[in-house]
Amino acid sequence: DTAVSQTPKYLVTQMGNDKSIKCEQNLGHDTMYWYKQDSKKFLKIMFSYNNKELIINETVPNRFSPKSPDKAHLNLHINSLELGDSAVYFCASSQAQGKVTEAFFGQGTRLTVV
Amino acid sequence: KNEVEQSPQNLTAQEGEFITINCSYSVGISALHWLQQHPGGGIVSLFMLSSGKKKHGRLIATINIQEKHSSLHITASHPRDSAVYICAVRSGGNKLVFGAGTILRVKS
Repeated sequence: DTAVSQTPKYLVTQMGNDKSIKCEQNLGHDTMYWYKQDSKKFLKIMFSYNNKELIINETVPNRFSPKSPDKAHLNLHINSLELGDSAVYFCASSQAQGKVTEAFFGQGTRLTVV
Repeated sequence: KNEVEQSPQNLTAQEGEFITINCSYSVGISALHWLQQHPGGGIVSLFMLSSGKKKHGRLIATINIQEKHSSLHITASHPRDSAVYICAVRSGGNKLVFGAGTILRVKS
C-alpha cells in the first residue's frame, strides 16, 4: 500500500489556468507538508498542516492555497498558473507536530506550465 | 549562504568503492535526515538522526552535534546506489530545510 500518494503524477497546463494537486496519506500522521523542487533540484517547504490547521506558511504567492479537509488529506490548489510555477511538487507527512519523526514523501507531481 | 551545505555536489565512483557524502548546517536542529531521490523522482527517507550513528545494510550515517556536521557513507557501492542524496535538517517550527543534494553515479 502506498503510504503517501499524490495525484496526478504529471500535469501539463496553460498559463492562467487553475489546477489542483491531491495528496493523501494512510499512515495516521498528524502533520502534512507541501514542498516545491525547482529545476536545480532544490527543495523548499511551502506549507505545513497539523490536524487540519495551518502551521507553516512560507513566502509563497497567495495564488497557492492549501486545503485540508481532514488530517489524511492535504490538497494544493493553484490559481492563475504562471510559467515560473513549473516544478515538481512533493507532499509529505510525519507524526505529531511536537515530535521529531521521519518524513514520508509522495512520488511528486511534475507540473509544467506552457 | 544556505543553512545546509552538502559536499560534493557531484560524485562519480567505481562499483565497490567506499563513498562519503558530507553535510554541514548552521542552525540549531532537533534532527537531521538523509533522503534519497532516484532518477524516477520519488524521495525515500534513509535515516533520521539526532545523535551518534545509524546503520542500514551498506549505508551508515553519523552526526556530530557539536561540529554541526553529518556524513553518509555507502560501503561496497553498486550502480543501483546511483541517485541524488539529500541532507535535510529539522529546525524550528518542525520544518525541513534541505541541502542542494549530491548527485551520485556509480559505474560498473
